[in-house]
Amino acid sequence: DTAVSQTPKYLVTQMGNDKSIKCEQNLGHDTMYWYKQDSKKFLKIMFSYNNKELIINETVPNRFSPKSPDKAHLNLHINSLELGDSAVYFCASSQSDQPQHFGDGTRLSIL
Amino acid sequence: GEDVEQSLFLSVREGDSSVINCTYTDSSSTYLYWYKQEPGAGLQLLTYIFSNMDMKQDQRLTVLLNKKDKHLSLRIADTQTGDSAIYFCAESIPLGKLSFGAGTTVTVRA
Repeated sequence: DTAVSQTPKYLVTQMGNDKSIKCEQNLGHDTMYWYKQDSKKFLKIMFSYNNKELIINETVPNRFSPKSPDKAHLNLHINSLELGDSAVYFCASSQSDQPQHFGDGTRLSIL
Repeated sequence: GEDVEQSLFLSVREGDSSVINCTYTDSSSTYLYWYKQEPGAGLQLLTYIFSNMDMKQDQRLTVLLNKKDKHLSLRIADTQTGDSAIYFCAESIPLGKLSFGAGTTVTVRA
């Protein structure tokens, strides 16, 4: 039933590890996004894919690599995790420039 | 977001109206949005307005848009305890990006 679903909801890991967050949408949208929300609740876009093609890549470290196997999925892989990566990561989707629908977020904590 | 500004806190008595204000900078924004985030939860699309509209009403919610002043407001009538949350204003900027404000924390007191 869930329109935009992300897994896992919580992720606690140690500095230096590599981890992935998965996102799937069943709305038939052609565009998907990753946003980062920091501890002050500030939201900033990281990446956007349209029909599996990268269209937005903000100034995000190379350690972050998005992958879109098909237009319903957009995963985020993070290498060599750092303390500053602790945040809530939100996936979203939209049909072109129509309103974006967000997932429930993945709360990443780096120890 | 430096391009979207909103006040950080609002305290309102249950049953009163809440008004949350926002200013934005990109005059080419197609849509302007209000998202709601409850504690520990995701972002819920509350309402949105197309840039060629002045007002949109949806049950207890009224959105007003002043394009000349780049000012957006959200009015919640008969505010309830379940309305306590953080409300984010956002504008659509080129390439489909959303630029968010810092969020207004609304606290409803009995």
